[in-house]
Amino acid sequence: EAGVTQFPSHSVIEKGQTVTLRCDPISGHDNLYWYRRVMGKEIKFLLHFVKESKQDESGMPNNRFLAERTGGTYSTLKVQPAELEDSGVYFCASSFYPGQKLFFGSGTQLSVL
Amino acid sequence: TQLLEQSPQFLSIQEGENLTVYCNSSSVFSSLQWYRQEPGEGPVLLVTVVTGGEVKKLKRLTFQFGDARKDSSLHITAAQPGDTGLYLCAGGNQGGKLIFGQGTELSVKP
Repeated sequence: EAGVTQFPSHSVIEKGQTVTLRCDPISGHDNLYWYRRVMGKEIKFLLHFVKESKQDESGMPNNRFLAERTGGTYSTLKVQPAELEDSGVYFCASSFYPGQKLFFGSGTQLSVL
Repeated sequence: TQLLEQSPQFLSIQEGENLTVYCNSSSVFSSLQWYRQEPGEGPVLLVTVVTGGEVKKLKRLTFQFGDARKDSSLHITAAQPGDTGLYLCAGGNQGGKLIFGQGTELSVKP
């Protein structure tokens, strides 16, 4: 069974540019989460989808971040325009039920220069 | 705001030694999860504890949830070089959102 896949694994962009991260959850997992770890800090929650609906987006830093999950399958996280402080590792995770075992992807290392 | 304080942040020990990692909070969690993360990979769940006072064992790893469900510990007996990695605790609530500790970078030298 395929795990959670994220693309790209690394992205280097300049301040002001746009970047879109993609996450493909495990098939059948309705719950999809985005997390982020910035340098020296703990992994922090960004948002939670149940199917295509945003269940909790309390962790989204600001309106430069837009997450979508059209059709309830894969999800994208767009940062526009990117700022230096957006650099970090963005993780996607999925689960069958909320609060059950989370399966994490390998993350996208985003560097904003 | 719920926070989890994890300690120590770094730990370097010799093979065969024992160690304990702690996670503490002033908040109550419905569950406490422990993850291990390898470089370039995402966190992988080791165990979930849900009942106050619960103890779970996974080979040489022993996990405990505090009676008040505010703290947890991970104890490794006779550490091996293969135990080297980043260990993360995470508190969970009903919605599924996790609050992570800062992580413990463990290095076990042969």
